[in-house]
Amino acid sequence: KAGVTQTPRYLIKTRGQQVTLSCSPISGHRSVSWYQQTPGQGLQFLFEYFSETQRNKGNFPGRFSGRQFSNSRSEMNVSTLELGDSALYLCASSLMTSGRFGEQYFGPGTRLTVT
Amino acid sequence: AQTVTQSQPEMSVQEAETVTLSCTYDTSESDYYLFWYKQPPSRQMILVIRQEAYKQQNATENRFSVNFQKAAKSFSLKISDSQLGDAAMYFCAYRSSNTGNQFYFGTGTSLTVIP
Repeated sequence: KAGVTQTPRYLIKTRGQQVTLSCSPISGHRSVSWYQQTPGQGLQFLFEYFSETQRNKGNFPGRFSGRQFSNSRSEMNVSTLELGDSALYLCASSLMTSGRFGEQYFGPGTRLTVT
Repeated sequence: AQTVTQSQPEMSVQEAETVTLSCTYDTSESDYYLFWYKQPPSRQMILVIRQEAYKQQNATENRFSVNFQKAAKSFSLKISDSQLGDAAMYFCAYRSSNTGNQFYFGTGTSLTVIP
């Protein structure tokens, strides 16, 4: 079974631009979570989607948004990029079985650099 | 909100020796899951081991085992017979059973294995 895939793997943007990152979960996984990873802050939770609905949201400004499609693929959008948005963005998917979620499986991440 | 604390930013171990990584967490819930994830340099994050809070028996996966102390809210990871491939950043994570699939991660411990 294919793992979690994220595109693009690397991205360089200019301050003020916007960016869209994509995540394809493992087949059958309907929960997709997004994290921002920086050396100083560690992994910070952005949001989680399940069956096209955002169920949890972290403490990030409204410039960060996401969505999930009917095939469980998810996108994350950051508008008006700031230098501090430079980070590794990780996506993770989970399988729900008998009403309980299993562990999260992570993608390789998208390395975003804002200049 | 739940918090996860890893008090050791860096650890080192001699090859073939044993090392223990510490993790504490804060929660008022009784039903939850705990995880250890490993992130090798420039590589994908992978699950090392998981523990369900309702299970008294400590989880074990080959050379990896945990010491789960529910009352003390402590969840340490023991790596036996350390190998060079164990060198990585290790993250402790918490997930409630009641609030969907939101994970809370510690700030990580960087493990160096000395040949």
